Amino acid sequence: DAGITQSPRHKVTETGTPVTLRCHQTENHRYMYWYRQDPGHGLRLIHYSYGVKDTDKGEVSDGYSVSRSKTEDFLLTLESATSSQTSVYFCAISESKGANTEAFFGQGTRLTVV
Amino acid sequence: DQQVKQNSPSLSVQEGRISILNCDYTNSMFDYFLWYKKYPAEGPTFLISISSIKDKNEDGRFTVFLNKSAKHLSLHIVPSQPGDSAVYFCAASRFGAGGTSYGKLTFGQGTILTVHP
Repeated sequence: DAGITQSPRHKVTETGTPVTLRCHQTENHRYMYWYRQDPGHGLRLIHYSYGVKDTDKGEVSDGYSVSRSKTEDFLLTLESATSSQTSVYFCAISESKGANTEAFFGQGTRLTVV
Repeated sequence: DQQVKQNSPSLSVQEGRISILNCDYTNSMFDYFLWYKKYPAEGPTFLISISSIKDKNEDGRFTVFLNKSAKHLSLHIVPSQPGDSAVYFCAASRFGAGGTSYGKLTFGQGTILTVHP
């Protein structure tokens, strides 16, 4: 299994509070991604990183920010949580090796905003 | 705008029979396609992939077929086993875009496969 750890695994928070989710990898992969999974939508890309301090927006980035100060850590922050951000969040990593290669996913963080 | 669609929310098959999961896409720039399997409370795990230069890729019981003209791909599982019961996601990417966009995946909604003993 790819060495990806997400923390926390579960969190309940109140509307309007800031929340930070952490993704830690031990594979030294260049690329890291945050997705959210919602019924009827599959997984949707929130933000991604292509190197330390290099990040860009995905399909559903509004209300989220990210930071990557080290290769191994990718943080996702909800500045002011809303009920629409209740979801399961997945971190993924990948590496380009001159050929197509798959992304490896973490176990997920279930976030509930009440 | 759903660029990758899995129109069957669920599929039920008998153990030993074939399971066929379907996926359609609209973006002709996609050049690499993947299938992921997901069990409850776990992250998706990679199953099989196919490049747009091929029309078939096989790995054990799993075969993916790609029909570029129809923008359609399918996953065949033969024979199906109860342990295959999971949610299956189709995903697409633009590998050719390279660089900073590498590895970004666009997923379908998923299909719940149930294999009955």
